[in-house]
Amino acid sequence: AQSVTQPDIHITVSEGASLELRCNYSYGATPYLFWYVQSPGQGLQLLLKYFSGDTLVQGIKGFEAEFKRSQSSFNLRKPSVHWSDAAEYFCAVGGVWNTGNQFYFGTGTSLTVIP
Amino acid sequence: NAGVTQTPKFRVLKTGQSMTLLCAQDMNHEYMYWYRQDPGMGLRLIHYSVGEGTTAKGEVPDGYNVSRLKKQNFLLGLESAAPSQTSVYFCASSYGSQPQHFGDGTRLSIL
Repeated sequence: AQSVTQPDIHITVSEGASLELRCNYSYGATPYLFWYVQSPGQGLQLLLKYFSGDTLVQGIKGFEAEFKRSQSSFNLRKPSVHWSDAAEYFCAVGGVWNTGNQFYFGTGTSLTVIP
Repeated sequence: NAGVTQTPKFRVLKTGQSMTLLCAQDMNHEYMYWYRQDPGMGLRLIHYSVGEGTTAKGEVPDGYNVSRLKKQNFLLGLESAAPSQTSVYFCASSYGSQPQHFGDGTRLSIL
């Protein structure tokens, strides 16, 4: 069965520091991969996606993610965190036809940014 | 440019009451989804639809029913609400395997 693991429940970083959020997936083939961000009281907003091709993908708000097939990982990174990045981040896989068009989400990583 | 709209935004129910959550999208998406979000559990798929008139069960379908009579609308029903259904419910839509667009959620409390 497909699954997504986000090992870090909560991360605290200082403003201006770099950030890496981890995501590992279990899937029978190369999946479609996504990162979403959720601000308090809001729905999820897409940060970036990976379908195929270049394994380093750029997203909005200065985020990027790297797909590593050998490690079944799709980690999210940002070189310099801003206070406005404090939010909940979700990794997701799926969307391909043989999953019944279902998407599987990790349990999320909550990011706190300190001044 | 509304995207995905969920109504209501908040609701408090008593155990045993029924209600329907409405999701409407204006992007002509084929696929629509209902999720529930609970602390520490991420988003769990309740039901989904791959087109008008079709529905399918997701990971946690028990206690819920859905209908997709019109392409733009996806209704989630609770026939007899239980405290375990207290949650935040999100609707999403997508075009094929493209990323999903999410609504802002419905916060539902069952007393």
